[in-house]
Amino acid sequence: LAKTTQPISMDSYEGQEVNITCSHNNIATNDYITWYQQFPSQGPRFIIQGYKTKVTNEVASLFIPADRKSSTLSLPRVSLSDTAVYYCLVGDRMDSSYKLIFGSGTRLLVRP
Amino acid sequence: EAQVTQNPRYLITVTGKKLTVTCSQNMNHEYMSWYRQDPGLGLRQIYYSMNVEVTDKGDVPEGYKVSRKEKRNFPLILESPSPNQTSLYFCASSLQGRAVGETQYFGPGTRLLVL
Repeated sequence: LAKTTQPISMDSYEGQEVNITCSHNNIATNDYITWYQQFPSQGPRFIIQGYKTKVTNEVASLFIPADRKSSTLSLPRVSLSDTAVYYCLVGDRMDSSYKLIFGSGTRLLVRP
Repeated sequence: EAQVTQNPRYLITVTGKKLTVTCSQNMNHEYMSWYRQDPGLGLRQIYYSMNVEVTDKGDVPEGYKVSRKEKRNFPLILESPSPNQTSLYFCASSLQGRAVGETQYFGPGTRLLVL
């Protein structure tokens, strides 16, 4: 089973770049890595997804090394509204089923 | 508007009184799942469904039932709720439930309190 490990919490200040790393040692060949953001009392929201190397969108960048055993979510110039919990998600394929496992989440606090 | 809806949003009940939390999606997604979220434990999957009439256990299925009679609906049933099922519940759906190129869409959540 693919499982993930993330830091429990991180602190940052407005305007800084934040990097959150997720470890997924048992990632399967066909699995993608997906990051979600969650605000209190709301459902998680998709941020970014990738398979290897680097992916960038208007919100974040995702760096995945060649061995794919980890990934790093990079948030450029964070603001107070980026305070949230960030989840790393790796798909786990078992036979014909598909069991999705969330990481423990990283609670990011952005200070003024 | 493409969305996942859950009802009710808030529910207070007593131990042993059967309840159902409904989940519906209008995106024609094949894959649907239920999660519970508890402080310090993140999101844990309860059950998931790959398609109509196909359901399987997630990580924490004890005390829950689900059914998938229609593609759009995936109700979560607590036959005999207990206080340890007090939690925040999320329903989610995605096109096929595969990792390649898919995104899961989450409902707004149902906060359940079992007394």
